[in-house]
Amino acid sequence: RKEVEQDPGPFNVPEGATVAFNCTYSNSASQSFFWYRQDCRKEPKLLMSVYSSGNEDGRFTAQLNRASQYISLLIRDSKLSDSATYLCVVNVRGADGLTFGKGTHLIIQP
Amino acid sequence: SQTIHQWPATLVQPVGSPLSLECTVEGTSNPNLYWYRQAAGRGLQLLFYSVGIGQISSEVPQNLSASRPQDRQFILSSKKLLLSDSGFYLCAWTPGQDTQYFGPGTRLTVL
Repeated sequence: RKEVEQDPGPFNVPEGATVAFNCTYSNSASQSFFWYRQDCRKEPKLLMSVYSSGNEDGRFTAQLNRASQYISLLIRDSKLSDSATYLCVVNVRGADGLTFGKGTHLIIQP
Repeated sequence: SQTIHQWPATLVQPVGSPLSLECTVEGTSNPNLYWYRQAAGRGLQLLFYSVGIGQISSEVPQNLSASRPQDRQFILSSKKLLLSDSGFYLCAWTPGQDTQYFGPGTRLTVL
């Protein structure tokens, strides 16, 4: 079983719609969780951390379910500029590095 | 504020040639540093990480090596490149054990 699994997509979503991604992780000892965004041929950039209580940043909401070992990202009122690959990231080993999912490709259509 | 630099941005090398990629971080001290590779259609793979000068941990056996000659400098090297070494190489840093910040990356094509 892969450590971090995501649906690769692509998700084709009309502008203004709400879209949600899920991600599952295999290591129950995972310590922290993130969503990164990666534009084509660019480096990943931190979108938001994911906290146990859930957190919101503008149109983006992230939630963590430790019991079921999944993380979600909700994007409301999607914009064309939201088109990107969204990487689910888990810290399972402290300073030893993050474990990345392969990403979910999102395409917002006008 | 902290910034992370990588160079070169793009590199095309023949099979069997050597490689040296450089990463430097500004605006912080004693960062943890990481090298990742992202091959086409695949996720990010951790190659090496370093928690201090001269301290290198290798994650994947391969023909690559890493060195950290200075606190804020991390170098990825190879003596002889393979076709399978092609990919997008990303350096990242973290002030602690959590969020990582990536450099702009080096896109390597081995022919």
